[in-house]
Amino acid sequence: DAGVTQSPTHLIKTRGQQVTLRCSPKSGHDTVSWYQQALGQGPQFIFQYYEEEERQRGNFPDRFSGHQFPNYSSELNVNALLLGDSALYLCASSLGLGQPQHFGDGTRLSIL
Amino acid sequence: GESVGLHLPTLSVQEGDNSIINCAYSNSASDYFIWYKQESGKGPQFIIDIRSNMDKRQGQRVTVLLNKTVKHLSLQIAATQPGDSAVYFCAENIGGGSYIPTFGRGTSLIVHP
Repeated sequence: DAGVTQSPTHLIKTRGQQVTLRCSPKSGHDTVSWYQQALGQGPQFIFQYYEEEERQRGNFPDRFSGHQFPNYSSELNVNALLLGDSALYLCASSLGLGQPQHFGDGTRLSIL
Repeated sequence: GESVGLHLPTLSVQEGDNSIINCAYSNSASDYFIWYKQESGKGPQFIIDIRSNMDKRQGQRVTVLLNKTVKHLSLQIAATQPGDSAVYFCAENIGGGSYIPTFGRGTSLIVHP
């Protein structure tokens, strides 16, 4: 039973570039949430997708956008990258809204 | 207590000791609380949860205590093992049909053999 998988595991970009991160939810899960975890901090909620729509959003600028596909997988896109976007990006999935989430191991994004 | 910059609060214990990790939460409307364990290079892993209508819940080697009066959670780990070394986060959830945990800053647990 595959858990939440994220790709790539590591990524290096420069300021101003754009990046796309990918997530496959745990088998049977239909809801995907994305979090940003800065070094030494707890994860911060970015947004949540269910039925291919953004259902909730945290306090992140519009440079952060996402998408959910019919197979429930999801992408996180970040435009106009800033140095402060360097972080671990975590994807979590659940079976429906209001259910406990299972986390992937994240994508480590470094901005130079 | 609070730390500055990148330094997490740290708890160092000897193998076999009991560990207690504390957490203060911020929102009195929170009705569901979760403890996560995060090992280096991994995502957060669910340990145990508790709802606001309870004040204690036990799992395997772990116990969570909830004091709503002072908005305080604690995680007790019995007979701590080197494999328990990790960063531990408490998270609160306001509920209302959603599950969007708000994470605290975390405590680093170091278990010495």
